[in-house]
Amino acid sequence: DTGVSQDPRHKITKRGQNVTFRCDPISEHNRLYWYRQTLGQGPEFLTYFQNEAQLEKSRLLSDRFSAERPKGSFSTLEIQRTEQGDSAMYLCASSYTSGRSSYEQYFGPGTRLTVT
Amino acid sequence: LAKTTQPISMDSYEGQEVNITCSHNNIATNDYITWYQQFPSQGPRFIIQGYKTKVTNEVASLFIPADRKSSTLSLPRVSLSDTAVYYCLVGDSNDMRFGAGTRLTVKP
Repeated sequence: DTGVSQDPRHKITKRGQNVTFRCDPISEHNRLYWYRQTLGQGPEFLTYFQNEAQLEKSRLLSDRFSAERPKGSFSTLEIQRTEQGDSAMYLCASSYTSGRSSYEQYFGPGTRLTVT
Repeated sequence: LAKTTQPISMDSYEGQEVNITCSHNNIATNDYITWYQQFPSQGPRFIIQGYKTKVTNEVASLFIPADRKSSTLSLPRVSLSDTAVYYCLVGDSNDMRFGAGTRLTVKP
């Protein structure tokens, strides 16, 4: 396994368009996380899945954002009616977690979104 | 929800030992302390994790005092390639929050 992959790596879109990003986690990992990162800031948590169940969503995740993880494998993050403020790096991470014990997240390279 | 405080930036020179301290006064019993490293245009990379006392791996050491209200990441003999942002996270597997991190610059 080569790690977490994300597609596309870069996306330029016009304001008002919809965009969808894909994340393929490490195959044996049961958790998948989405973060957003803007320049000079740390990653901001958006949401995470345990297998196919979406367990938590940040208030940052407005109604225009939706994430899915069908069959507990890859995940998609869709942003509808994009705004310039959505321009950021979108990071995906995965981990194998059992209960509340220690964990290590493996991050993908990110998708850089630019809304013009 | 434990909150972390780290220095915004630090400078060092090649070959020196670097210690980055993180304060987390409200750490909970179930919380672990985890450090990540991030280079520009890359996702964060796990460095080390600990719960109490001292943890050491091939790249760093993590020192956690008995009250667990702070922790120190120690990088031995840094090189130019260690220039990056270092994040301290406190939480359990259900809760992971990044702060602004510490920007470490290693000079020749």
